Amino acid sequence: RKEVEQDPGPFNVPEGATVAFNCTYSNSASQSFFWYRQDCRKEPKLLMSVYSSGNEDGRFTAQLNRASQYISLLIRDSKLSDSATYLCVVNRPGGGNKLTFGTGTQLKVEL
Amino acid sequence: DAGVIQSPRHEVTEMGQEVTLRCKPISGHNSLFWYRQTMMRGLELLIYFNNNVPIDDSGMPEDRFSAKMPNASFSTLKIQPSEPRDSAVYFCASSSLRDRLLPSNEKLFFGSGTQLSVL
Repeated sequence: RKEVEQDPGPFNVPEGATVAFNCTYSNSASQSFFWYRQDCRKEPKLLMSVYSSGNEDGRFTAQLNRASQYISLLIRDSKLSDSATYLCVVNRPGGGNKLTFGTGTQLKVEL
Repeated sequence: DAGVIQSPRHEVTEMGQEVTLRCKPISGHNSLFWYRQTMMRGLELLIYFNNNVPIDDSGMPEDRFSAKMPNASFSTLKIQPSEPRDSAVYFCASSSLRDRLLPSNEKLFFGSGTQLSVL
């Protein structure tokens, strides 16, 4: 089983739609969780950290379910500029900042 | 404020040649990471350094790969000899990890990557 698994998509949604991505992780000892965004032919950039209580940043909401070992990202009122690949990232237990990246979910927002 | 700087942006070489990728982390960051990204495998951590010391190189695929960090502002990833299956985008990233034994929520800052094509 992969350490971090995501549905690769693509998710094609109209502008203004709400879209949700899920991600599962295999190691129950993982403690840090993130969503990164990667535009085509660009480097990944941190979108948001994911906290146990769930957190929101504008149109983006991240949730963590430790019991089921999954993380979600909800995007409301999607914009054309949200088109990108969203990478689920989980720290690898053992300390430090060793992060395992999912292969990403591609989102395409269309007119 | 300069971000992580990688060079070259693109490298095309022939099988068997030596390839050297370079990275300058953000000033003040004490952790540096080398990742490789392919369509099939996504982003894979190759090696990371903390305070210029290699902490974990378990992701380095073979002895053909080596990485050094001679000082806090420079790192290299070398492939010798290169093979077509090494073709990928290689990213360098840095962060300011306070304690290497604890998980961190410090964000990783990535460079723009080096697109390597081995023919």
